Amino acid sequence: DVKVTQSSRYLVKRTGEKVFLECVQDMDHENMFWYRQDPGLGLRLIYFSYDVKMKEKGDIPEGYSVSREKKERFSLILESASTNQTSMYLCASSLGGQGYEQYFGPGTRLTVT
Amino acid sequence: QQPVQSPQAVILREGEDAVINCSSSKALYSVHWYRQKHGEAPVFLMILLKGGEQKGHEKISASFNEKKQQSSLYLTASQLSYSGTYFCGTEISYSNSGYALNFGKGTSLLVTP
Repeated sequence: DVKVTQSSRYLVKRTGEKVFLECVQDMDHENMFWYRQDPGLGLRLIYFSYDVKMKEKGDIPEGYSVSREKKERFSLILESASTNQTSMYLCASSLGGQGYEQYFGPGTRLTVT
Repeated sequence: QQPVQSPQAVILREGEDAVINCSSSKALYSVHWYRQKHGEAPVFLMILLKGGEQKGHEKISASFNEKKQQSSLYLTASQLSYSGTYFCGTEISYSNSGYALNFGKGTSLLVTP
């Protein structure tokens, strides 16, 4: 079974802190994704990566950056956390190309105070 | 642009049927369906591909009208375990190699005894 793990289930940070969210997948998937989930807004794509060191901005990349130095690991970075970044963050992975299902991690609920 | 899902919410009694719709303003290569139970990660249900191919769970049925850019998920003889939020995702191309999903806002389904 595909397993996608995220470094923390719950995280509390202060405004202005630099925050790292990490995601690891064990199925050699080419694609990895970071989503933000807020009530009533669904899943919104922040960034994704289709290969090591390759990244694409999604719909809401402002205030975020990403890093993918190894195929199995994809990190989301909040350079200077703000209260409006309080949210549930979901990581996912899939095989490369079109038409493949995504496998999601359990999510990290981030609270910025 | 997010695909539009309807209805936003539906309550069923066990054994009843429901249809969840997903429509897009853009031409679609594929439509994905996921279910998320409260406090859990989204789980893949089905992919419908342009040309008629389908991949997914045997007990789930769905349709994909390429001309109308619409998909529908059919939940028949509903069970309590069907409760959750259903998301459709439409596949979009960000670059020559990068494909990602644009998710709708979700449809909340509650099945009662």
